Amino acid sequence: GAGVSQSPRYKVAKRGQDVALRCDPISGHVSLFWYQQALGQGPEFLTYFQNEAQLDKSGLPSDRFFAERPEGSVSTLKIQRTQQEDSAVYLCASSPMGRGNTEAFFGQGTRLTVV
Amino acid sequence: AQSVTQLDSQVPVFEEAPVELRCNYSSSVSVYLFWYVQYPNQGLQLLLKYLSGSTLVKGINGFEAEFNKSQTSFHLRKPSVHISDTAEYFCAVSTYSSNTGKLIFGQGTTLQVKP
Repeated sequence: GAGVSQSPRYKVAKRGQDVALRCDPISGHVSLFWYQQALGQGPEFLTYFQNEAQLDKSGLPSDRFFAERPEGSVSTLKIQRTQQEDSAVYLCASSPMGRGNTEAFFGQGTRLTVV
Repeated sequence: AQSVTQLDSQVPVFEEAPVELRCNYSSSVSVYLFWYVQYPNQGLQLLLKYLSGSTLVKGINGFEAEFNKSQTSFHLRKPSVHISDTAEYFCAVSTYSSNTGKLIFGQGTTLQVKP
């Protein structure tokens, strides 16, 4: 596609429910990132994939958060047993390669509200 | 570790007036610098980036930024703003040594352009 696509755009989950957020990166992009953006804050890094390999998951806040990219394209961020503090916008980004000087292209995000 | 500080959380300005959004960073290693813009309910869009060379960088929509290594700053400027510039602006860094390209963001500055 023309850009990074995320679905759903909005998700309301009851506390304790599991959720799955999907990201379709730009075709051919090697690198894929997940960021969490709390209300009124800047995005914070969660995890990074190079193709199907998860090379950095240092930003995942707890073991309830899990991400995968099994075929090196589409990625899913899964949150188990959601808590209110998980409410945020989850942004996916992709880039042609994993280098500090490479532009990352962002999706519109999934706004997760845990009630 | 790296950190980014955006000194103003909100900047109100009248249409056609000049504006400066301030950004300071902290890092023990060399960094690349970025400014992203986020319109309501949209993903982040790259405005401009500093990789090397000339310290004055020009971006899209008439924005420019100047890298000042001694002051560890990367302030964003526009000589004359439009109503359509109303958005959230984020300063971000990544490191030369990064093999992922993950970004560290500031908390954002809301630019409010008034007619």
